[in-house]
Amino acid sequence: AQSVTQPDIHITVSEGASLELRCNYSYGATPYLFWYVQSPGQGLQLLLKYFSGDTLVQGIKGFEAEFKRSQSSFNLRKPSVHWSDAAEYFCAVGLTTDSWGKLQFGAGTQVVVTP
Amino acid sequence: KAGVTQTPRYLIKTRGQQVTLSCSPISGHRSVSWYQQTPGQGLQFLFEYFSETQRNKGNFPGRFSGRQFSNSRSEMNVSTLELGDSALYLCASTSGTAYEQYFGPGTRLTVT
Repeated sequence: AQSVTQPDIHITVSEGASLELRCNYSYGATPYLFWYVQSPGQGLQLLLKYFSGDTLVQGIKGFEAEFKRSQSSFNLRKPSVHWSDAAEYFCAVGLTTDSWGKLQFGAGTQVVVTP
Repeated sequence: KAGVTQTPRYLIKTRGQQVTLSCSPISGHRSVSWYQQTPGQGLQFLFEYFSETQRNKGNFPGRFSGRQFSNSRSEMNVSTLELGDSALYLCASTSGTAYEQYFGPGTRLTVT
């Protein structure tokens, strides 16, 4: 079955430390890949996307993600976390053969930033 | 450019009632998608409309329906509300060229 997995439900990181959030997908072909962030009581904000080409993509707020086809992964990273990065992060996939308006989301990873 | 707007932001309804939520997409975006977000089930795709036609549908009962108007604004309706329908309902509009979904702030529906 097609699926998107975020193995870490909750991550605590110190301000200034690096952050890596994991995402694995299971699809027959390489899907479109996205990372979104959601602050409490808010909608989702697109951080970055991968369609094809360079496997390291840069996004907003200093985030980057690396697509690894061999591992079916699309992990999100940030070198130095700020307190404002505390939020929930969602990995999502869309299928090129399906409608571009339909995304499947992972369960999310809650990030807590400590002083 | 204005973002995706959703109205109302908060809603309290009683079991058995029906509710209509509204979404105005970003200007120029013709695709509107709806998602339900709950603590237990996470983010689940409801349906997508493009040029007033439903293009995709998720695995939700027929009580959940939607429509899109000629100006791309969309509404979703839930009839015979159940307690389990309490959720954050998110609308997203998609840029057809950049293939990016932009989300509104959501409508928080509470069913009592």
